[in-house]
Amino acid sequence: QVQVVQSGAEVKKPGASVKISCKASGYTFTNHYIQWVRQAPGLGLEWMGIVNPDSGTTNYAPKFQDRVTMTTDTSARTVYMELRSLRLEDMAVYYCARGRNGGNSRTSLDIWGQGTMVTVSS
Amino acid sequence: DIQLTQSPSTLSASVGDRVTITCRASQAVNNWLAWYQQKPGKAPELLIFDASNLQSGVPSRFTGSGSGTEFTLTISTLQPDDFATYYCQQYNAYPRTFGGGTKVAI
Repeated sequence: QVQVVQSGAEVKKPGASVKISCKASGYTFTNHYIQWVRQAPGLGLEWMGIVNPDSGTTNYAPKFQDRVTMTTDTSARTVYMELRSLRLEDMAVYYCARGRNGGNSRTSLDIWGQGTMVTVSS
Repeated sequence: DIQLTQSPSTLSASVGDRVTITCRASQAVNNWLAWYQQKPGKAPELLIFDASNLQSGVPSRFTGSGSGTEFTLTISTLQPDDFATYYCQQYNAYPRTFGGGTKVAI
């Protein structure tokens, strides 16, 4: 079935980097944008950015622009999100999600990963 | 950035109630608006896309309406499974943004 499956939980120290994977299956990988959304404990959803798995083109939220990189490996049907210079306030569940409308970045998110908990602690 | 303001932030309701949640955008989003449902410890699920289109598999008691800057999500007859937090999201402009959420509680 159509799904995206994320890598497991991470524990990092402040200043470190984390790289989360998002592996897609059940659909044509290069047809649908992947977006990343995070959620701090007890808080709402926060959009981080979007990547075109076909071209590798990205657009990041200004808040993360200088610390985040989203990349794709089409042979592995996997998208990666790396966040650098981690701070305590980066502790959150990170989600990848598929754009519903294939080939269009202006789309809602219909398939979500299970989430990856990133704990930042000294 | 386009700000999305949801109201109310918390809503107390009973099974069988009709529930309406509002999402106001700081500028027009041209119907590029979605609604999601999230339950504790779970990923969000898409309910409504493009302001008023029901996602496949979502019960017909969920309805989305509105245009421009004001949108609503209506649950016609609240069911026990509907107690959750609901978010709107605009995808008209970058950065995409979410509303602050509305928790529907008993």
